[in-house]
Amino acid sequence: DAEITQSPRHKITETGRQVTLACHQTWNHNNMFWYRQDLGHGLRLIHYSYGVQDTNKGEVSDGYSVSRSNTEDLPLTLESAASSQTSVYFCASSAGRDQPQHFGDGTRLSIL
Amino acid sequence: KQEVTQIPAALSVPEGENLVLNCSFTDSAIYNLQWFRQDPGKGLTSLLLIQSSQREQTSGRLNASLDKSSGRSTLYIAASQPGDSATYLCAVSRPDSSYKLIFGSGTRLLVRP
Repeated sequence: DAEITQSPRHKITETGRQVTLACHQTWNHNNMFWYRQDLGHGLRLIHYSYGVQDTNKGEVSDGYSVSRSNTEDLPLTLESAASSQTSVYFCASSAGRDQPQHFGDGTRLSIL
Repeated sequence: KQEVTQIPAALSVPEGENLVLNCSFTDSAIYNLQWFRQDPGKGLTSLLLIQSSQREQTSGRLNASLDKSSGRSTLYIAASQPGDSATYLCAVSRPDSSYKLIFGSGTRLLVRP
């Protein structure tokens, strides 16, 4: 079965460090998304991509970057981790606007 | 700016009850609306997607309706079961060419045996 896999599932790091969260999907979807989920804010879009070499900023993109070198992967990088970036991060993919988004199980990131 | 609200934030019902979860949005100009389920420690699972031209969608014991003009959607769960316990989120997409979803904060449902 096709799936979307995030790694690591849990990570603890220190402020100022660079962190990369991996997202790999086997749906062969062109569209991929990164969200963060926080109490009181719900799910908010960080970055998204419509295909290889395409990336776009979402609602809360400051301090984050993504790159898309192939269809399957959209890694999310925190350039210099801040405590405000402690959150649960979800990756998603979809086949198109009329199709549902499929989500990974998330990465719980703690920045001390 | 589009805002999505889900009330109540939490709901506890006995097994077997039919129930309705509510979702409201401030801008009626949407492309589609999705309902998701989220289990603790897990990602979101898509339940139903309603296009803006549709009034409802059904899947098994779930029925979702959409009233764009009033900015409302409801998720009806028939004959609830303990396995339905989860957080239910709705999300709307914009009518522009983007795929962005705007989420509500969810309703946490507990179905008691």
